Amino acid sequence: NAGVTQTPKFQVLKTGQSMTLQCAQDMNHNSMYWYRQDPGMGLRLIYYSASEGTTDKGEVPNGYNVSRLNKREFSLRLESAAPSQTSVYFCASRVRLAVSSDTQYFGPGTRLTVL
Amino acid sequence: DQQVKQNSPSLSVQEGRISILNCDYTNSMFDYFLWYKKYPAEGPTFLISISSIKDKNEDGRFTVFLNKSAKHLSLHIVPSQPGDSAVYFCAASAAQKLVFGQGTRLTINP
Repeated sequence: NAGVTQTPKFQVLKTGQSMTLQCAQDMNHNSMYWYRQDPGMGLRLIYYSASEGTTDKGEVPNGYNVSRLNKREFSLRLESAAPSQTSVYFCASRVRLAVSSDTQYFGPGTRLTVL
Repeated sequence: DQQVKQNSPSLSVQEGRISILNCDYTNSMFDYFLWYKKYPAEGPTFLISISSIKDKNEDGRFTVFLNKSAKHLSLHIVPSQPGDSAVYFCAASAAQKLVFGQGTRLTINP
């Protein structure tokens, strides 16, 4: 049981290049999320998927696209990378704790640098 | 417009003493609140949560207090241990999404 896995761990891109960040969870969770973390900014939601086949924008979706390939996998794509997208990216899946609360399990992150 | 704020970027506490981390929020629609702990080069891990209808929740050395009238929550760690040194994020939940504060770096000194 690996939890939430992310690949790659590190990536350096040149401005204008594209890439896809991969995320998978083996906990059979319905909801999955992509965040970015920048210094002094906390984690900000980019996109989320409440269930297989659905995706919605979060707080900072511009410059990104997502695909919920199946229940396990949720990928984040940068079509034309910009230096402002230099960040650490975290994927998460949501689990219910009790009737009125839940939490999210996070992957180890992908550190992306755009030159 | 930051809905969840942690106004202290860092906090230093002596081992064995109490650590108190604070968080303020602006949106009355949040239905519960969570604290996460993050070590370098790892993802955040869940620590403790509290429903908006409660004012206290305790789990071992960790207690979270919620003051709804002040829109303020705090995390108490007693006693503080060296392994508690990490960045702590508070988060608030609404519509199955989390809004995070900026984080507070806690350092426990021997």
